[in-house]
Amino acid sequence: ILNVEQSPQSLHVQEGDSTNFTCSFPSSNFYALHWYRWETAKSPEALFVMTLNGDEKKKGRISATLNTKEGYSYLYIKGSQPEDSATYLCALDNYGQNFVFGPGTRLSVLP
Amino acid sequence: DSGVTQTPKHLITATGQRVTLRCSPRSGDLSVYWYQQSLDQGLQFLIQYYNGEERAKGNILERFSAQQFPDLHSELNLSSLELGDSALYFCASSLGLAGVYKQYFGPGTRLTVT
Repeated sequence: ILNVEQSPQSLHVQEGDSTNFTCSFPSSNFYALHWYRWETAKSPEALFVMTLNGDEKKKGRISATLNTKEGYSYLYIKGSQPEDSATYLCALDNYGQNFVFGPGTRLSVLP
Repeated sequence: DSGVTQTPKHLITATGQRVTLRCSPRSGDLSVYWYQQSLDQGLQFLIQYYNGEERAKGNILERFSAQQFPDLHSELNLSSLELGDSALYFCASSLGLAGVYKQYFGPGTRLTVT
């Protein structure tokens, strides 16, 4: 059974700061890693899908990397804005057998 | 708006009852996923359907069942409801079967069992 961990659990940054958080996993025996952004009272929104041989993904000020050898993925936000405040989830697709979410990192960007 | 619709938005029912949650995927998407988010817990994968067939099963109780119909909408049936079944139930859809496709989440159905 895949176990997905995320750190930190929560994070407070000032507007304009750049930040990053981690999704870690014990084994690279999965098909793809997904990052989601989940705002309060809304539904999770897909950010990136990363495959094992994939490159860095980027969408505006947000980017993600995957290091299967070391067992982690980083999500970076450059120049955080208050609207970036949300919970960021990573999830692993276990070869179509299961879909395992991490507990999330709650980001608060203070104006 | 993700294009995924779920009904009803809220549902309040008593223990022992049975309910049906409905999901319509985005136009063109063949895969439907169901997730449960209980209080103080993360998202738990329940089950996936692809083009009408069950493809993957997660932590779904035997009291729960699902199906995907020929028009690709899906229903999640929850029976013999218990207080612990109170949760937010999400449906998501994606274009294909493999995990390389993004999943698009519906607004969720909040179930309260009293």
